[in-house]
Amino acid sequence: EIVLTQSPGTLSLSPGERATLSCRASQSVSSSYLAWYQQKPGQAPRLLIYGASNRATGIPDRFSASGSGTDFTLTISRLEPEDFAVYYCQQYVSSLWTFGQGTKVEIK
Amino acid sequence: EVQLVESGGGLVQPGGSLRLSCAASGFTISSYWMIWVRQAPGKGLEWVANINQDGSDKHYVDSVKGRLTISRDNAKNSVYLQMNSLRAEDTAVYYCARVRGSSGYAFDDWGQGTLVTVSS
Repeated sequence: EIVLTQSPGTLSLSPGERATLSCRASQSVSSSYLAWYQQKPGQAPRLLIYGASNRATGIPDRFSASGSGTDFTLTISRLEPEDFAVYYCQQYVSSLWTFGQGTKVEIK
Repeated sequence: EVQLVESGGGLVQPGGSLRLSCAASGFTISSYWMIWVRQAPGKGLEWVANINQDGSDKHYVDSVKGRLTISRDNAKNSVYLQMNSLRAEDTAVYYCARVRGSSGYAFDDWGQGTLVTVSS
């Protein structure tokens, strides 16, 4: 099983600042099958990024992502008030999916 | 508009059973893999099970094998999760979601979730 480790656990930032979230895999992951989700309290997760760097429908361009192999990054260029949430990375291989433990982006 | 609506959650005693349902609208599930994901209170997301388009291929996370069974009824545009021999550690919000093959097998639409509480 591929384990995804996200860092930091919590990111305290102010609106307008840049957020950089990391996702590290225990073994190499196909970039095609690496995704990022946003979850706000009391809500279902929402797909942000698929294929390591492709924004899902309706996702603003302040969200970007990159990476390959075992190291992946989600960047929010300028935090808006609605971006404070928990973010999860996810990978898929051979009909099995795993999630990272999440990074909480909170208001400083 | 794509919509997924889960139902069937509730309070059940350890060792008991529940059947969750997920009704889809705005698209035809017969074209998609479907999955169940759960989230224990205050915890992260865990993929639970998936099923292919015609129901012939199913996969489960190890912790639920032999106890939880995913199924689908394409005619009713619905997916199900039969939960038997429930344990306290199965307590969670259960989400159903659609798998988008063209999006790298990411989960592009989710229901609002249904809470399952296993407690005596």
